[in-house]
Amino acid sequence: KAGVTQTPRYLIKTRGQQVTLSCSPISGHRSVSWYQQTPGQGLQFLFEYFSETQRNKGNFPGRFSGRQFSNSRSEMNVSTLELGDSALYLCASSWSPPRILRQYFGPGTRLTVT
Amino acid sequence: AQTVTQSQPEMSVQEAETVTLSCTYDTSESDYYLFWYKQPPSRQMILVIRQEAYKQQNATENRFSVNFQKAAKSFSLKISDSQLGDAAMYFCAYRSALDQGAQKLVFGQGTRLTINP
Repeated sequence: KAGVTQTPRYLIKTRGQQVTLSCSPISGHRSVSWYQQTPGQGLQFLFEYFSETQRNKGNFPGRFSGRQFSNSRSEMNVSTLELGDSALYLCASSWSPPRILRQYFGPGTRLTVT
Repeated sequence: AQTVTQSQPEMSVQEAETVTLSCTYDTSESDYYLFWYKQPPSRQMILVIRQEAYKQQNATENRFSVNFQKAAKSFSLKISDSQLGDAAMYFCAYRSALDQGAQKLVFGQGTRLTINP
């Protein structure tokens, strides 16, 4: 089975632009979660999607949004980019009945905002 | 809100020795899950071991074991017979069991583990 894939792997954007990151979960997985990883703040939960619905949301401004498609692929969008949005963005997928504990992480998208 | 604290930003150990990474957490919940994740320099996060709070028995996975002290809210990871491939950032993480399906993880700041040959 193929693992979680994220595209693109690297991205450079200018302050004020917007960006869309993509995550393809492991086949059969219906839950996709997104995390932001920075040296200063560490790993922070952005949101989780399950069956095309946002099930959980972290404490990020509304500039951060996401969606999930019927094939479970997910995208996250960041509008009006700020320098502080530079980070590694990780997505994780899981098959999500109760008490299924394991999440599988992708390699991440490294976003640099200049 | 739950918090996870890893008080050791960096640790080092000699190859073949044993090392223990510390983690404490704060929660008012009684049912939850705890995890240790490993992030090697390639950046892909890998699950090392997990513990369900309602289970008193400490989890073990080959050379990896945990010391789960629920009353003290402590969850340390012991790596035995350390190998060069164990070098990585290790993250302790918490997940509530209240929402049975939700996958939100709360991470600690991480401990960078170096293995000395």
